[in-house]
Amino acid sequence: GAVVSQHPSRVICKSGTSVKIECRSLDFQATTMFWYRQFPKKSLMLMATSNEGSKATYEQGVEKDKFLINHASLTLSTLTVTSAHPEDSSFYICSARTGLHEQYFGPGTRLTVT
Amino acid sequence: GEDVEQSLFLSVREGDSSVINCTYTDSSSTYLYWYKQEPGAGLQLLTYIFSNMDMKQDQRLTVLLNKKDKHLSLRIADTQTGDSAIYFCAERRGQAGTALIFGKGTTLSVSS
Repeated sequence: GAVVSQHPSRVICKSGTSVKIECRSLDFQATTMFWYRQFPKKSLMLMATSNEGSKATYEQGVEKDKFLINHASLTLSTLTVTSAHPEDSSFYICSARTGLHEQYFGPGTRLTVT
Repeated sequence: GEDVEQSLFLSVREGDSSVINCTYTDSSSTYLYWYKQEPGAGLQLLTYIFSNMDMKQDQRLTVLLNKKDKHLSLRIADTQTGDSAIYFCAERRGQAGTALIFGKGTTLSVSS
C-alpha cells in the first residue's frame, strides 16, 4: 500500500526554538495533505489542510503564524512549529490524500519542548 | 464543534467478538470510517461505509450504521491478539474535499 513517512520521528527542542517536521508520500503524489495533532487519550485534532502550490487552510483556533505549513511539491509537506513552547509538546501526524477514500497517514512525530 | 464520541477502552478474550461503538455528530456526513492505530505506526484504514448503507461486511469486520441515531459500530469476529490497537471512527463531513473528523479512539486489549 501507499506509504507516508515523517521525519523526524522524535524531536526534543528548547523553548523558543523552531522545529520543522517533514511529511513525504513515498510512492504516490498527493494533491492534499493534512496535519493533525494528537494529545494523550485524545482524538486527532485537525490543524490544517494543505494543497500543493497554495496556502494552507487552518482550522479555527490554530495559529497560522505559529504553525507554518509549506506544501511545495506533490510529495512533500512541511510543518514548522515556530518559537516552540512546552504546551506545543504533542504528537503530530500528517496524512496524504489521493482519492476520496485513499488517505494515508504518517507514523507521527513526537515533539517535546523543554 | 461537537465531538465524535467513543468509549475509551475495551477488553476481550482471544476468540471472542469485539464491538466498538461510536456516535458521530453530523447527520449529513457522507462517509464514515474506521481506522486502526498500532503503537509506533500510522493510522491504517480498516473499512468505510457510505451513509446510505446500513451494514458492510469485510472478512472479520462488520460495520453497522444507524443513521437515525448517528451510531456506528465495528464488530471484529474471532478477535486475535494482533487486533490489539487503538481504533478510531471518523466522519467525513460535507464535500469530498473536507478532512476527516476523528473520535478519541477506543483502546482494544485482547488477552489470550
